[in-house]
Amino acid sequence: GAVVSQHPSWVICKSGTSVKIECRSLDFQATTMFWYRQFPKQSLMLMATSNEGSKATYEQGVEKDKFLINHASLTLSTLTVTSAHPEDSSFYICSAREGARVTLHFGNGTRLTVT
Amino acid sequence: DAKTTQPNSMESNEEEPVHLPCNHSTISGTDYIHWYRQLPSQGPEYVIHGLTSNVNNRMASLAIAEDRKSSTLILHRATLRDAAVYYCILLTEYFGNEKLTFGTGTRLTIIP
Repeated sequence: GAVVSQHPSWVICKSGTSVKIECRSLDFQATTMFWYRQFPKQSLMLMATSNEGSKATYEQGVEKDKFLINHASLTLSTLTVTSAHPEDSSFYICSAREGARVTLHFGNGTRLTVT
Repeated sequence: DAKTTQPNSMESNEEEPVHLPCNHSTISGTDYIHWYRQLPSQGPEYVIHGLTSNVNNRMASLAIAEDRKSSTLILHRATLRDAAVYYCILLTEYFGNEKLTFGTGTRLTIIP
């Protein structure tokens, strides 16, 4: 089946630094990818929708200048957390839609810890 | 977004069937009923989806009420590996950038 690879699976960084998370669709082209954030014991919260070749659409309350999203190709979207702070520590998950298919494929998530 | 309501948690004995309910009284005619599950420290995975008729696949069965205002995910023989949070979500077929909005889901505990 379709696979979405997310890298890294975990990262620890110091406050003030930037971290890039990659999301790749391995065996299909994804025109649309979604980025979610999940805090412990909570559900997934949609951060932004990423479309290949165009600007991402951010959900209300998500700072576009802090969470930079680039979807430069049909198989890769990246999320960069700029100037990370401890409150940005969370589980970040990407998902991709294969063309117009109804189902989504999810990456295994990236656990970000900011010290 | 059309909303779904699920119990916060459920328990089941290993090797017994599990019925996970979901209410979606505001469902529209074009909404598909999706189920995803999330194992600990992993991203969600697709389980099953349907529109009107009951559906079966290798993972589970989906029973949809005749008025489509509720549905039930059925795990026929639960194993310890089925312990996860199960999300019931509505998604219309005709989307461009339609997003998948997650509710709180049902945390399923399997008792050995």
